[in-house]
Amino acid sequence: KNEVEQSPQNLTAQEGEFITINCSYSVGISALHWLQQHPGGGIVSLFMLSSGKKKHGRLIATINIQEKHSSLHITASHPRDSAVYICAGSNTGNQFYFGTGTSLTVIP
Amino acid sequence: ETGVTQSPTHLIKTRGQQVTLRCSSQSGHNTVSWYQQALGQGPQFIFQYYREEENGRGNFPPRFSGLQFPNYSSELNVNALELDDSALYLCASSFAGGSYNEQFFGPGTRLTVL
Repeated sequence: KNEVEQSPQNLTAQEGEFITINCSYSVGISALHWLQQHPGGGIVSLFMLSSGKKKHGRLIATINIQEKHSSLHITASHPRDSAVYICAGSNTGNQFYFGTGTSLTVIP
Repeated sequence: ETGVTQSPTHLIKTRGQQVTLRCSSQSGHNTVSWYQQALGQGPQFIFQYYREEENGRGNFPPRFSGLQFPNYSSELNVNALELDDSALYLCASSFAGGSYNEQFFGPGTRLTVL
């Protein structure tokens, strides 16, 4: 069993829809990260959370430490949001444990 | 400030050969981590280097080895390549010692083993 589990694995949405990607983790972590990976392979950090909620533009990330669960929300989705979204936990040694990713396709 | 760079971008090797992948850290970062990402999977932690010493290792065999240099750039070496080593290899740099642990990723090297 992977230390970090994401759902769904694949997601197709119409432009403008509200999107939620979920992440559960079973290891002790010091921070939870949401990352975006485009087809070329490069990974960009979207959020780093240790508690509560963060918002950046149309993206919102929340974490519930007690339940070991985090969600990434995208409001008013757009085709340029199409990418793989990866949840990862990091420990105090700065070692990362990645989920398998959620492949999002937003259709115009 | 330059970001994390990796070379080469693509590489094709045959089984049994050896390969060296390179990573230049973001300026000011002293820690480099290497990850293997198979197609359709999330990245898997290979190892991490901090101040030129290995500082943690994932579940990879000894034929995966690394180096970190005084300028904090890094190499990943893989000996006796196997078909399953075909993957995207990502490096990420960070600064250990601060109060947060954000990593900055390079664009990756795509290795194909035939």
